[in-house]
Amino acid sequence: QKEVEQDPGPLSVPEGAIVSLNCTYSNSAFQYFMWYRQYSRKGPELLMYTYSSGNKEDGRFTAQVDKSSKYISLFIRDSQPSDSATYLCAMNRLGAGNMLTFGGGTRLMVKP
Amino acid sequence: GAVVSQHPSRVICKSGTSVKIECRSLDFQATTMFWYRQFPKQSLMLMATSNEGSKATYEQGVEKDKFLINHASLTLSTLTVTSAHPEDSSFYICSAIPRNGEQYFGPGTRLTVT
Repeated sequence: QKEVEQDPGPLSVPEGAIVSLNCTYSNSAFQYFMWYRQYSRKGPELLMYTYSSGNKEDGRFTAQVDKSSKYISLFIRDSQPSDSATYLCAMNRLGAGNMLTFGGGTRLMVKP
Repeated sequence: GAVVSQHPSRVICKSGTSVKIECRSLDFQATTMFWYRQFPKQSLMLMATSNEGSKATYEQGVEKDKFLINHASLTLSTLTVTSAHPEDSSFYICSAIPRNGEQYFGPGTRLTVT
């Protein structure tokens, strides 16, 4: 069993839809949670960073963490074709320095 | 924001040859850089942690004699794939960490071994 599970998709939605991307994890030592966006053949770009349960909002993006359920989500409001990319969740353990454990990534396609 | 570059962006080499990939932090110093490998439609797999002035730490299953890492300065780490084979063809991505602890990724290098 992988430490971090993420549905690979692809997830196809119409422009303007609300998108929900999710990851589950098995290790309760994960304390820091990140969402990265990766366009095809490019490096990942950090979107959101959270370390506590609850919601964090940044523009059209909302990151949600539920540590009791070991479940994190990224919501994208008013999705745009430019949001089409692979979204990777990543987590960091206390004491692991800066080492990240990545989910497998979900490919999102927003159709105009 | 912090910028990390990689060179080359794409490289094609013949089987048996060696290829060097550079990772540079352009506007900050990074004592730690990470090297990842990503196969098509798969996530990033950490290969090694590169520490300035010391030996790299390799993840389980990664051959240190095949993937040579040199963190020569606070702004440069290199990954050399020695005696490359077609199965080494992949997307190699580095990341660097400035003082704030946030990890910034390079744009990646696509290696094709023929």
